Amino acid sequence: DVKVTQSSRYLVKRTGEKVFLECVQDMDHENMFWYRQDPGLGLRLIYFSYDVKMKEKGDIPEGYSVSREKKERFSLILESASTNQTSMYLCASSPEMAGGFYEQYFGPGTRLTVT
Amino acid sequence: AQTVTQSQPEMSVQEAETVTLSCTYDTSESDYYLFWYKQPPSRQMILVIRQEAYKQQNATENRFSVNFQKAAKSFSLKISDSQLGDAAMYFCAARGTASKLTFGTGTRLQVTL
Repeated sequence: DVKVTQSSRYLVKRTGEKVFLECVQDMDHENMFWYRQDPGLGLRLIYFSYDVKMKEKGDIPEGYSVSREKKERFSLILESASTNQTSMYLCASSPEMAGGFYEQYFGPGTRLTVT
Repeated sequence: AQTVTQSQPEMSVQEAETVTLSCTYDTSESDYYLFWYKQPPSRQMILVIRQEAYKQQNATENRFSVNFQKAAKSFSLKISDSQLGDAAMYFCAARGTASKLTFGTGTRLQVTL
C-alpha cells in the first residue's frame, strides 16, 4: 500500500514564526503536492514538485515556499506565519505515467492554527 | 486549466437508499480525466472512482457509478445501497494533461438510519 505521512496532525504556531510541514511518501512517486483545505473552498493547490529540486507554483503560492531535496520528501514552509494561514494542509503524491490516468495518494493532513 | 463546480454543499440519504452527487466542470483541453474522492471524518482522502473523458462508457466500482455527460460537462456520482460508512466529504476533481488536479468545493454526505 502507498503510504503518505505528514509530520504532525495538529500544530499551533504564533504569528511571525517560521513553520515547516513535512511530507514523506514511500512509493518512489515522482510527483508531490501541497494543498490547503478550507470549508466552502475545497482543496486549493499551493505548490507541486515533479522531480527532486523541481517545483512549480500552484493556485495560491503567496506566503509559502517548498523544498524537495530527496525524492520521498516534500516540505512546505511558511516563512512568517499569519492568522490567515490557519487551515488544514494536505500532502499528496502520484506516479508520473503516460496517459495521466493515475490517482493522487493523500496524507492524513496537518491542521495548523496560527495565533 | 479546469474549473470544477459542486453545487450541493450537503446531502442526506437513508441507509440502503440511492443518492446522486452533482458535479459540473469546464476545461479547454480535449484530453482530461475526472475523479471522485472521498474524505471520511478525520481520515485520509481516498479515490472512489475515475473516468477518462474519451471513454463514453460510465465507470463503475461496486456500489459507486458515474453519469458522465460530456456535452453537458457533467460528472455525477451515484451511490447505491448507501451504508453508514459512506458518510464523508466527497470531492469531484479534474485533470488535464498536466499533473495537477483541480477540486470542487465538496459535498458533505450524511447517511441516516
